[in-house]
Amino acid sequence: AQSVSQHNHHVILSEAASLELGCNYSYGGTVNLFWYVQYPGQHLQLLLKYFSGDPLVKGIKGFEAEFIKSKFSFNLRKPSVQWSDTAEYFCAVGGSSASKIIFGSGTRLSIRP
Amino acid sequence: DAGVIQSPRHEVTEMGQEVTLRCKPISGHDYLFWYRQTMMRGLELLIYFNNNVPIDDSGMPEDRFSAKMPNASFSTLKIQPSEPRDSAVYFCASSGDRGQNQPQHFGDGTRLSIL
Repeated sequence: AQSVSQHNHHVILSEAASLELGCNYSYGGTVNLFWYVQYPGQHLQLLLKYFSGDPLVKGIKGFEAEFIKSKFSFNLRKPSVQWSDTAEYFCAVGGSSASKIIFGSGTRLSIRP
Repeated sequence: DAGVIQSPRHEVTEMGQEVTLRCKPISGHDYLFWYRQTMMRGLELLIYFNNNVPIDDSGMPEDRFSAKMPNASFSTLKIQPSEPRDSAVYFCASSGDRGQNQPQHFGDGTRLSIL
């Protein structure tokens, strides 16, 4: 069955700390992977996406994610977080030919000023 | 690019009433998705359309929910009759699938409260 797991439900960090949010997926065939961010009271916005090529993907606002095929993972990282990164982060996976995307349950990130 | 436009932004109504949520996808996008977001259940895909045709409605919770896409620029999600447990934020998203998963662009959502 296709699924996405985000094991961290709520992460609390201080400003300038490094961030890594876990994402594991189960999907047969070629995968396309996404991270979305939802700031408080706003809609989901795309942070970054992986389709093919370099497994280390750079996104907006200093975020990056690494696709590790052998581990079925696509963890999100940022070397130094800011208070403005407080948001909920969703990992998502889709196939190469279908447009239905499966979202994880989300990880809420709280940054202490 | 105007983005995905949803209306209304907020709706408060009494249980038993009919609720209609509206969505205008990004021009040229041929996929449209309806999601529901709650604290308890997170983000749930309700239904999605391709070229105005419903492809997968397995996420629609009950017969009280229905969705239509009469043309490429408009879709509705209707709840009749509404119940308090339908209270949630409903998001519409669209994407253009050019042979590969394209990112979905989300609207600002409709915050629905059923009293």
